[in-house]
Amino acid sequence: AQSVTQPDIHITVSEGASLELRCNYSYGATPYLFWYVQSPGQGLQLLLKYFSGDTLVQGIKGFEAEFKRSQSSFNLRKPSVHWSDAAEYFCAVGAAAGNMLTFGGGTRLMVKP
Amino acid sequence: DAGVIQSPRHEVTEMGQEVTLRCKPISGHNSLFWYRQTMMRGLELLIYFNNNVPIDDSGMPEDRFSAKMPNASFSTLKIQPSEPRDSAVYFCASRTNLGQETQYFGPGTRLLVL
Repeated sequence: AQSVTQPDIHITVSEGASLELRCNYSYGATPYLFWYVQSPGQGLQLLLKYFSGDTLVQGIKGFEAEFKRSQSSFNLRKPSVHWSDAAEYFCAVGAAAGNMLTFGGGTRLMVKP
Repeated sequence: DAGVIQSPRHEVTEMGQEVTLRCKPISGHNSLFWYRQTMMRGLELLIYFNNNVPIDDSGMPEDRFSAKMPNASFSTLKIQPSEPRDSAVYFCASRTNLGQETQYFGPGTRLLVL
């Protein structure tokens, strides 16, 4: 069975600082990986996804993520955080041939002025 | 494109009442998913449909929950009778069937059962 772990429940960074949100997955084959963001009171919006190819993927809002098979990780990064990035971030893994996504528990990001 | 549409956005009801949540997927999407989000359990998949047929309902908590998809553009999630522990945000998502495509989420229905 596939699973996703986001080790950090809460993270606080200063505006302008760099950000890295951790995601570790467990899956027996090549995973399909996603990062979603959820602003308060809103649904989940896709930031980026990895299916194959280049292990460094670019997403919206200046985010990027790197797939590292050897570490079973798919960490999300942003070089300079903006106050509007404060939200909850979810990592998800899907099977190549399936329909279902398994989500991590989420990381809540707070941004200090 | 209007995206996934859910109604109502907020629902407050009393224990024992029937609650019906509605979802309109993105036109052309073949798969539809119902999720529940709570502080304690995070985001859980309840059920998903493919071409209007329920494929996996193993996440449905109990018999009080039922979901239908009578056509490609409409789905309902019903709770009868509702209980306070059903209070959560319920999301609907849809996607195409072209490989492992992205799920697009609706804004959610925030349910409070008193």
